[in-house]
Amino acid sequence: DAKTTQPNSMESNEEEPVHLPCNHSTISGTDYIHWYRQLPSQGPEYVIHGLTSNVNNRMASLAIAEDRKSSTLILHRATLRDAAVYYCILGSNYKLTFGKGTLLTVNP
Amino acid sequence: EAGVAQSPRYKIIEKRQSVAFWCNPISGHATLYWYQQILGQGPKLLIQFQNNGVVDDSQLPKDRFSAERLKGVDSTLKIQPAKLEDSAVYLCASSLEGLSSYNSPLHFGNGTRLTVT
Repeated sequence: DAKTTQPNSMESNEEEPVHLPCNHSTISGTDYIHWYRQLPSQGPEYVIHGLTSNVNNRMASLAIAEDRKSSTLILHRATLRDAAVYYCILGSNYKLTFGKGTLLTVNP
Repeated sequence: EAGVAQSPRYKIIEKRQSVAFWCNPISGHATLYWYQQILGQGPKLLIQFQNNGVVDDSQLPKDRFSAERLKGVDSTLKIQPAKLEDSAVYLCASSLEGLSSYNSPLHFGNGTRLTVT
């Protein structure tokens, strides 16, 4: 499975934008880029996914580099409820292999 | 819509005992997954069902773990006998369209936390 690299942790302040980076230099042409997040004591929750173009939904935006070797999850205004572990995953045959993710701390 | 239901929420057993977890996916979801999440790590896929057939169980320790999905709906995951290293959260997930679609996100339950003493 193609691997992703994410920072172990990041901090943000409430109501500020957050940019969560992900490197995936070995991505194949058919791999989608998926983001999930996991709040404490809960199962992971779908955030967004994309293939080549930038994507927006009510939760976040996904910016994908032109060469697809990296991507950035953008939370436009962080809230305390956004504190979670964020996983960047390359999906193949809809098999999702999770890494350790990025622990996002949001300061009030 | 109702989410993925799992039970029990917590379970404590002694090593060498057996345990079973139950999952009820979202109605109409074709694909069901069991993941194991050890503390501090991301979830690891154990087994994936498409309707009631197994499509991937390459990481399931088959000498002690078993899973079934009867009638393509509910699923049970069993461990017999349990070892200390099986202490983890066991997560069930389902998706609508399964393998043929990349536009069918996974919906996770809140998991069963297993402690083996």
